[in-house]
Amino acid sequence: SAVISQKPSRDICQRGTSLTIQCQVDSQVTMMFWYRQQPGQSLTLIATANQGSEATYESGFVIDKFPISRPNLTFSTLTVSNMSPEDSSIYLCSVGEPTVNEKLFFGSGTQLSVL
Amino acid sequence: AQSVAQPEDQVNVAEGNPLTVKCTYSVSGNPYLFWYVQYPNRGLQFLLKYITGDNLVKGSYGFEAEFNKSQTSFHLKKPSALVGDSALYFCAVRVTTGGFKTIFGAGTRLFVKA
Repeated sequence: SAVISQKPSRDICQRGTSLTIQCQVDSQVTMMFWYRQQPGQSLTLIATANQGSEATYESGFVIDKFPISRPNLTFSTLTVSNMSPEDSSIYLCSVGEPTVNEKLFFGSGTQLSVL
Repeated sequence: AQSVAQPEDQVNVAEGNPLTVKCTYSVSGNPYLFWYVQYPNRGLQFLLKYITGDNLVKGSYGFEAEFNKSQTSFHLKKPSALVGDSALYFCAVRVTTGGFKTIFGAGTRLFVKA
């Protein structure tokens, strides 16, 4: 199992600013993922954070808007840049192994509100 | 495209009654299916998974799911619902093309009434 610490847990930000969300795992993991979840709705994968290389972004998400770092096997950051009210959401860090039968572990999420 | 669908936004059931939360999938190749639960103000937790083998999969908290290949379904079930089961439930499929990604359904909110 993996224990994930995600911070901040919530923040209220002004339009045009940026917020960096941190994800720390208590063990080395191969794959880290960043999801976005509107309250009470489904999860949308933003990107896969790759250790030592650029993140792999899903359709509709770009590096300039959501830069990701993955300096080692236990840590990743997601930055939400030049925020607008449409970015208000819950951002979730998730980890897993690259095998089909392995479950994901999730952080408790960062609830972001953009004014 | 590979996906999962949860046709019900909400399921209401009385405590003690059986519950079913529906999920259908569309994948190329073998399906790797999961159920996750999100309790209020808490992170997502794994419930159970189907990879291969028996069509009836047992998971945490007394939940089980039935894999039906001909109907491409993976419905979540519990023989006797508890008020504490009230939560948001997500069906998910593990995709192996383009990396190991997990795609989630829209979610079904379960309300169990005492």
